[in-house]
Amino acid sequence: SAVISQKPSRDICQRGTSLTIQCQVDSQVTMMFWYRQQPGQSLTLIATANQGSEATYESGFVIDKFPISRPNLTFSTLTVSNMSPEDSSIYLCSVEGAGGRHNEQFFGPGTRLTVL
Amino acid sequence: QKEVEQNSGPLSVPEGAIASLNCTYSDRVSQSFFWYRQYSGKSPELIMSIYSNGDKEDGRFTAQLNKASQYVSLLIRDSQPSDSATYLCAPEAYSGGYQKVTFGTGTKLQVIP
Repeated sequence: SAVISQKPSRDICQRGTSLTIQCQVDSQVTMMFWYRQQPGQSLTLIATANQGSEATYESGFVIDKFPISRPNLTFSTLTVSNMSPEDSSIYLCSVEGAGGRHNEQFFGPGTRLTVL
Repeated sequence: QKEVEQNSGPLSVPEGAIASLNCTYSDRVSQSFFWYRQYSGKSPELIMSIYSNGDKEDGRFTAQLNKASQYVSLLIRDSQPSDSATYLCAPEAYSGGYQKVTFGTGTKLQVIP
């Protein structure tokens, strides 16, 4: 499996501000995803980060609120814009296709975000 | 109806026993099925993948798949306290032209020493 890192690992932010989370993989991967996991709940897919094109967002998530970049096959960013306390959550990136393991997703360590 | 249903637990088993975790899913076109283990405060870790009906064994873990019944399970033999975690069932299907994994809410397993 791939080695996936996320920055920052945690942050405490004021409402109305924005935070950009970085996801770096140590090898090229076909797919990168961004998930949110709220306390005590399962994972919800925010969007699929597409290399060289706009991300594909799931129902309930919009580009203005969660802009995503994927400039190459090993890196992606998720920005949480104009934050409110309801955005407090763990944000996880995942990758698919690492090491030829098609279909299998591996997760980064996550970013714990608290919005005051 | 939830897309992926799991008993939230906690499921408590004594050390050395078999833990049985169950999952049903609603999307009939699901082709790939994954089990993730998530320790408290950590990210999910892939422990099993299964693609065909029947059983697949990997060490102490056995995944069972029955597509006709839309049912997938995970058995953990010789359960250890270190197996105490939340187990997420995750079927994958094509949706909107690409593969999408849907995660269940997870079953919390407690292995009692």
